[in-house]
Amino acid sequence: KQEVTQIPAALSVPEGENLVLNCSFTDSAIYNLQWFRQDPGKGLTSLLLIQSSQREQTSGRLNASLDKSSGRSTLYIAASQPGDSATYLCAAGDQGGKLIFGQGTELSVKP
Amino acid sequence: ETGVTQTPRHLVMGMTNKKSLKCEQHLGHNAMYWYKQSAKKPLELMFVYSLEERVENNSVPSRFSPECPNSSHLFLHLHTLQPEDSALYLCASSHDMRNTIYFGEGSWLTVV
Repeated sequence: KQEVTQIPAALSVPEGENLVLNCSFTDSAIYNLQWFRQDPGKGLTSLLLIQSSQREQTSGRLNASLDKSSGRSTLYIAASQPGDSATYLCAAGDQGGKLIFGQGTELSVKP
Repeated sequence: ETGVTQTPRHLVMGMTNKKSLKCEQHLGHNAMYWYKQSAKKPLELMFVYSLEERVENNSVPSRFSPECPNSSHLFLHLHTLQPEDSALYLCASSHDMRNTIYFGEGSWLTVV
């Protein structure tokens, strides 16, 4: 049974800092790995999707990497801004399209 | 605006009420989903529909009843709920079940 863990549960950084969010999964037979952002009281916004054959994906200041063999993915945020404050969730997708989510990392970027 | 619209955004209902949550997607997607998000718990997949046929039902109690009349609309019918069913219910859609998934803003449900 797939389990997804995100560490840390919460993170507070000063504006401008580069940071890394971690996601680990127990079953390496994933089809893809997705990162999402959730603002308080809102739905989820998809940030990046990495297929199992890929090593990383980039979008603007965001870079997500995937290491299937070690069961890990990281989300790198460069030059963080207060607007980046949100909860970040990762989800491991299987062949059938089912997503298993982690509990999220709550990020606070202080001006 | 993600292209997935959920109504109502907030709902308070008694344990004997019957209500429905509605979801509509304007993205031309073929798969639609209901997820439940409770405090301090990861998102839980409840139901998946692909091409209007249910393909996943994660042991959800029968007091939750989904309906997918066409590929653009998804409903969650609620009946005789319990206070522990209070949560954020999120609808989502994707082109197929392996692509990027797009979520609605969610419906906050409180059962009193």
